[in-house]
Amino acid sequence: GAVVSQHPSWVICKSGTSVKIECRSLDFQATTMFWYRQFPKQSLMLMATSNEGSKATYEQGVEKDKFLINHASLTLSTLTVTSAHPEDSSFYICSAQGQSFYEQYFGPGTRLTVT
Amino acid sequence: AQKVTQAQTEISVVEKEDVTLDCVYETRDTTYYLFWYKQPPSGELVFLIRRNSFDEQNEISGRYSWNFQKSTSSFNFTITASQVVDSAVYFCALSTNAGKSTFGDGTTLTVKP
Repeated sequence: GAVVSQHPSWVICKSGTSVKIECRSLDFQATTMFWYRQFPKQSLMLMATSNEGSKATYEQGVEKDKFLINHASLTLSTLTVTSAHPEDSSFYICSAQGQSFYEQYFGPGTRLTVT
Repeated sequence: AQKVTQAQTEISVVEKEDVTLDCVYETRDTTYYLFWYKQPPSGELVFLIRRNSFDEQNEISGRYSWNFQKSTSSFNFTITASQVVDSAVYFCALSTNAGKSTFGDGTTLTVKP
């Protein structure tokens, strides 16, 4: 089956620094990827839709200047959390879309802790 | 807008009991897909099933079964003869042609030995 990886699996950073999270589709090309955020004991909330070669589309309430998304190739999308603060601590999960919109393959997630 | 409701926040059963997790959805789209995922403590989502809006056939896979009823906008998930390893958070999700998924709040299932 299709495999999606995320790197790093977990990261701890200091408040005010930036963190980059990578999402890769390992054995297929994904023109569209999605980024979700999950706070402890809560559901997954869509942050943005990442399209290869174009600007990401952000969901309402998500600061696009804080969460920078780059989808530079058909197998890689990156999420950069700029000037991270403790409230950004969360579990970030990406999904890559296959050939059809209903083919969604989720990465294993990245746990971010901001101290 | 899409919405998925999982009314059961937490369920606790004893091993070998059957358990049903409820899922009710809302969408104006006529073409959509419904999913169930399992999220163990590690956090990684485990895909369990996908069902499209035109296929109301129930499905059984081992101890798992799913009941899809468009008339009530429900897509319920039953685990037969539950096991301790079934303990996890289960999410129901809805996806339309935009590809992005709307998740329910999840149901935490605890199976006690």
